Amino acid sequence: GDSVTQMEGPVTLSEEAFLTINCTYTATGYPSLFWYVQYPGEGLQLLLKATKADDKGSNKGFEATYRKETTSFHLEKGSVQVSDSAVYFCALSRDTGRRALTFGSGTRLQVQP
Amino acid sequence: GAGVSQTPSNKVTEKGKYVELRCDPISGHTALYWYRQSLGQGPEFLIYFQGTGAADDSGLPNDRFFAVRPEGSVSTLKIQRTERGDSAVYLCASSLLGTGGGDTQYFGPGTRLTVL
Repeated sequence: GDSVTQMEGPVTLSEEAFLTINCTYTATGYPSLFWYVQYPGEGLQLLLKATKADDKGSNKGFEATYRKETTSFHLEKGSVQVSDSAVYFCALSRDTGRRALTFGSGTRLQVQP
Repeated sequence: GAGVSQTPSNKVTEKGKYVELRCDPISGHTALYWYRQSLGQGPEFLIYFQGTGAADDSGLPNDRFFAVRPEGSVSTLKIQRTERGDSAVYLCASSLLGTGGGDTQYFGPGTRLTVL
């Protein structure tokens, strides 16, 4: 079945550091890929998405590129802020078979001033 | 516009009791999804509605769990004979088309269920 694997956290960075959170997936066909973020005390929010190979999703300074050859969708940000502290979830969805999202286990990011 | 709303935000019950969790999707969204999130884990799929019908209920863990969406809008997740292992945050999401793929799902704040 489908699966998503994320790097384990917590990831602790200083403000303005470069961020990478690794995400790889296993799925049949050509899934769409998502990053969702969960800020403390809040619900899941879509951060960015990509629907086909080589697409780059971007939002709020975060970027991720859909790499089919490595089945990866790594999240990056050039300069993190304290306000980026949250849990980040990588997920996939297919347009055939199961339509629901398959999530990774989440990566907690802590940014220190 | 209004997002996905869920009630109650917190529910504490005793083992063996029956509970109902409610979800109000974004107006006009045809698809509605229920997920369950245990502490430190990603959400896990339970059931998906396209309109009034359950298009995929393969994620329901057993027959104590049941969900309805009688008018194609509000949905209720029902859990019978609750067990301590049912304690989790129950998330609802809705999407415009329900086609999967790039059809974005928007999540509610969740209901935290605690079974004592």
